[in-house]
Amino acid sequence: DIQMTQSPSSLSASVGDRVTITCQASQDIRTYLNWYQQKPGKAPKLLIYDASNLETGVPSRFSGSGSGTDFTFTISSLQPEDIATYYCQRYDSLPTFTFGPGTKVDIK
Amino acid sequence: EVQLLESGGGLGQPGRSLRLSCITSGFTFGDFAMSWVRQAPGKGLEWVGFIRSKTYGGTREYAASVKGRFTISREDSKGIAYLQMNSLKTEDTAVYYCAREGANWGSFDYWGQGAPVTVSS
Repeated sequence: DIQMTQSPSSLSASVGDRVTITCQASQDIRTYLNWYQQKPGKAPKLLIYDASNLETGVPSRFSGSGSGTDFTFTISSLQPEDIATYYCQRYDSLPTFTFGPGTKVDIK
Repeated sequence: EVQLLESGGGLGQPGRSLRLSCITSGFTFGDFAMSWVRQAPGKGLEWVGFIRSKTYGGTREYAASVKGRFTISREDSKGIAYLQMNSLKTEDTAVYYCAREGANWGSFDYWGQGAPVTVSS
């Protein structure tokens, strides 16, 4: 089974800061990687699909990059409404889906 | 407007069964694959299972943790997906979300609000 790791598990940053989260797969997953935002008590929301494509309606301060085993998610300028937990998610052709353990983002 | 609404959650006993429904509107349900994803209290997201559209055979895939116990089905005429949960275990306690696989294969573009399931004697 392909395992997903994320780092850090949590972070605190100031409004306006650049925030970067990394996601690593235990095997090559090409660009089969998505990113979600989940606010407390709410359902997840798709932000980035296929590693680097911004979902319609998602602010451009969110971005993703990477391929193979190493991926990066970036918030270019952290806003108060970005307080949430962020998950990467891989998929394959079977299909099966695996989420990373999540990164909790707080305001410093 | 695309909407997904789970129902049928609640308290179940170990070894017994529960069925969740995902009632959808605002899109042609039969054209889309659907998944169930769960989240145990204070934990991360775990994919549970997937059902293809009838166009792609309506076949299903499951996570190892639920295979043989959980069954996903769909009723396209009503726009409803189901999650039948049998032989419940305490570790099945979670909020269960239904999610639509969007036009971008492998991603979930719409989610329900979640249905809490507690398995306890």
